[in-house]
Amino acid sequence: NAGVTQTPKFRVLKTGQSMTLLCAQDMNHEYMYWYRQDPGMGLRLIHYSVGEGTTAKGEVPDGYNVSRLKKQNFLLGLESAAPSQTSVYFCASQGQGSNEQFFGPGTRLTVL
Amino acid sequence: GENVEQHPSTLSVQEGDSAVIKCTYSDSASNYFPWYKQELGKRPQLIIDIRSNVGEKKDQRIAVTLNKTAKHFSLHITETQPEDSAVYFCAASIGYKLSFGAGTTVTVRA
Repeated sequence: NAGVTQTPKFRVLKTGQSMTLLCAQDMNHEYMYWYRQDPGMGLRLIHYSVGEGTTAKGEVPDGYNVSRLKKQNFLLGLESAAPSQTSVYFCASQGQGSNEQFFGPGTRLTVL
Repeated sequence: GENVEQHPSTLSVQEGDSAVIKCTYSDSASNYFPWYKQELGKRPQLIIDIRSNVGEKKDQRIAVTLNKTAKHFSLHITETQPEDSAVYFCAASIGYKLSFGAGTTVTVRA
């Protein structure tokens, strides 16, 4: 079992460029999440999904879009990157009936 | 939504001493309280959790206590070791959503 994986691990963008971050899990988990981590601010929820084909906004959704076309994948998109989106992005998944969230290794994104 | 506050933001302890991190939460409906440890450059990993129907839980050198009336919970690490140096996050959950504290950077001095 690979658990939760994320691609890419690192990315540098210029302001205005777009990109998609991919999260994949092989644990058959229903719930998936995207967080951003900034110094001194903990983990903040961007978007989440409670099942294939469903998505919902979290605490800081502006500037991001998501899709969950397959149960095992959760994509995070930035349509027009801004320097304020420089951060480390973590994906997580959780099984139905369980409370534990399992995190991916993270993607470090820099927007110049 | 749920608001979780965590203190202190940094904690330096002598090896062998105890470390205590405290968190408060705002929503009395929260019923699950995990603690995650994140080493430098790594992903957060669950180290211990407690549910709202339990007051205390221990796992070797770590323990968590919960006071539902006061809406606060704490992490206790005894006999600290260099490998305990990391950032620790508390969180509170209603259903399937977690709200995290801002984190505590723990440094264990040799």
